[in-house]
Parts: sequence; C-alpha cells; structure tokens
Amino acid sequence: EDQVTQSPEALRLQEGESSSLNCSYTVSGLRGLFWYRQDPGKGPEFLFTLYSAGEEKEKERLKATLTKKESFLHITAPKPEDSATYLCAVQANTGNQFYFGTGTSLTVIP
Amino acid sequence: NAGVTQTPKFRILKIGQSMTLQCAQDMNHNYMYWYRQDPGMGLKLIYYSVGAGITDKGEVPNGYNVSRSTTEDFPLRLELAAPSQTSVYFCASSRPGGEETQYFGPGTRLLVL
Repeated sequence: EDQVTQSPEALRLQEGESSSLNCSYTVSGLRGLFWYRQDPGKGPEFLFTLYSAGEEKEKERLKATLTKKESFLHITAPKPEDSATYLCAVQANTGNQFYFGTGTSLTVIP
Repeated sequence: NAGVTQTPKFRILKIGQSMTLQCAQDMNHNYMYWYRQDPGMGLKLIYYSVGAGITDKGEVPNGYNVSRSTTEDFPLRLELAAPSQTSVYFCASSRPGGEETQYFGPGTRLLVL
C-alpha cells in the first residue's frame, strides 16, 4: 500500500536556526515526490518536484533532497515568513493518484 | 490566469441537504482532482478526472459524485449531506508531462449540522 509519513508533526525554530523536515514514503515505483507549502486558510502551494534518488532542488532558504525511501526539506536560516505547514506527496508509476502526508507545522519565532 | 477557482468559500448545510461545489481552471489542464482535508489528516483524494467525460474514484468517494463535461470545470456533488462530510474541500489541476505539478484552489469550507 502506498504510504507517506511526515515528521515531526510540529517544529518551532528560532529565526536563523536551520533544521530539516522528513518525508518517508512507501510506493510501488515512484513517479514523483512533491513538496507543498500551505498557509492557514489557503490551498497548498507547490514548492518542488523530485523524480529520482540523489536529486536536489533549491529555492531561496529551502532545499529538497530525495533518497530511495525518504525526502528531506532543509530550511536554512529560516525567517518568520517561512512559518507554514509543509506537505509531502508522492505519485506512483502505477496510477494517477497522489498520496499526501499529514504535514509538518513549522513556526519560526523572531 | 486566475488559476484554479472554487465557489463557494464557505457553506453551512443541514443534514440531508444536497449541494454542488464548483471548481474551474483556466490553464487548459487535462487532470483535475477533488480532495478533502480534515484537521490533523492529510489530503484525501475523493475523485479525479483525466479529461472531459472521464472520471474515477479516489480513496474516499462515498457520498460524493462528479462529472466532467468540459476541460475547464469539475463540479463535486454532495447528495444527502452528513456530519462526516464536514471538511475543507480542495480542487486541484495538473497537466501530465515531465512535471506533473498540481495547482490547488483556495478551498471550500463546508459545515454540515
């Protein structure tokens, strides 16, 4: 069964304190792994797509990496505006569905 | 481009009532999806469509129906609303290809009392 688990559920960081969010997945052939940011009361906003182990992508203070079993979202020197819930999703080769994790709620304290 | 739009933003229904959640996209995307999001839970797929006239069930389709008569629109129908359908509903679209990113609408908050 395709499954996505994110950890931690919640994370509080001081401004400038770097950390990583984890997304572990079980899927029968990975087509893609996706990271989204979701602000309260809004729809998820796309951040990154990763397709194969070893791939890395960066955007401002965020960097996403992928292995055969998990992905990390590294946040370098976060700012309060990075506070949001970060969602991970996978799509399998065998179908059109996306499977989402429950998210990590990030709070960055000034 | 407006992207993905959803109406209404918020609705209160009585048990047993019916309603249609509207979703439209102007990006000429083939694929469209309906999700529900409950507190502390991930997004759960209700139905999806790979093109006009083609729909398929997701993880949690019971109590819902969809139709796709045009590329742009993908309405979600709730028949005989139940308290368990209280949730936030998100519509998304994507274009299959090298980067099958989903673009989400702003959501519809539904309360069934």
